[in-house]
Amino acid sequence: EVQLLDSGGGLEQPGGSLRLSCAASGFTFSTSIMSWVRQAPGKGLEWVSTISDSGSGTYYADSVKGRFTISRDNSKSTLYLQMNSLRAEDTAVYYCAKSLSYYDSSPFDYWGQGTLVTVSS
Amino acid sequence: DIQMTQSPSSVSASVGDRVTITCRASQGIRSWLAWYQQKPGKAPKLLIYAASSLQTGVPSRFSGSGSGTDFTLTIRSLQPEDFASYYCQQTNIFPLTFGGGTKVEIK
Repeated sequence: EVQLLDSGGGLEQPGGSLRLSCAASGFTFSTSIMSWVRQAPGKGLEWVSTISDSGSGTYYADSVKGRFTISRDNSKSTLYLQMNSLRAEDTAVYYCAKSLSYYDSSPFDYWGQGTLVTVSS
Repeated sequence: DIQMTQSPSSVSASVGDRVTITCRASQGIRSWLAWYQQKPGKAPKLLIYAASSLQTGVPSRFSGSGSGTDFTLTIRSLQPEDFASYYCQQTNIFPLTFGGGTKVEIK
């Protein structure tokens, strides 16, 4: 059974940092493209970042480029999102997601349960 | 960036009704479109990919159509468990973008 377990969310002050993690199991993580998607309270879905299976390719939304870094440790089957220079508008539930297919922009067939990030003073 | 516009933003319907949701892309995306269902407090669930391919395990009352810029999600006979929000997503090119969502409510 595919499982994605998101963690690392919490309350952080503007300008602060957080690192989210997503522990994967039940599939071959090292050959899967992975992503982060967020959802602000009461709002729609926003794609944040995607990383290729090897980690050599990364993509970011303009809203987080230069502040967030996606990475992965295939030996630990874990996906990360390092979030720096946090802003109030980064407040959201963050989901990790697994891509359905082999191409980088593939849709997401499995999602984590989400972890809430709140940026406030 | 490709903008995805969904309509309507909400729809009231009864069990057994046929519901149609549309999604328009600001430029052509061939068939690179996915549809998701999301229930309150839960993660989204993939329903349709490549515009019309049904994801494994999704009931056949869900169907998708379209190509280029105009797409449709149809729920043939609405069931109680289908009351939820639905999102389209273009998977043609980065940045990946979602539609604003459609909430299907009980009439």
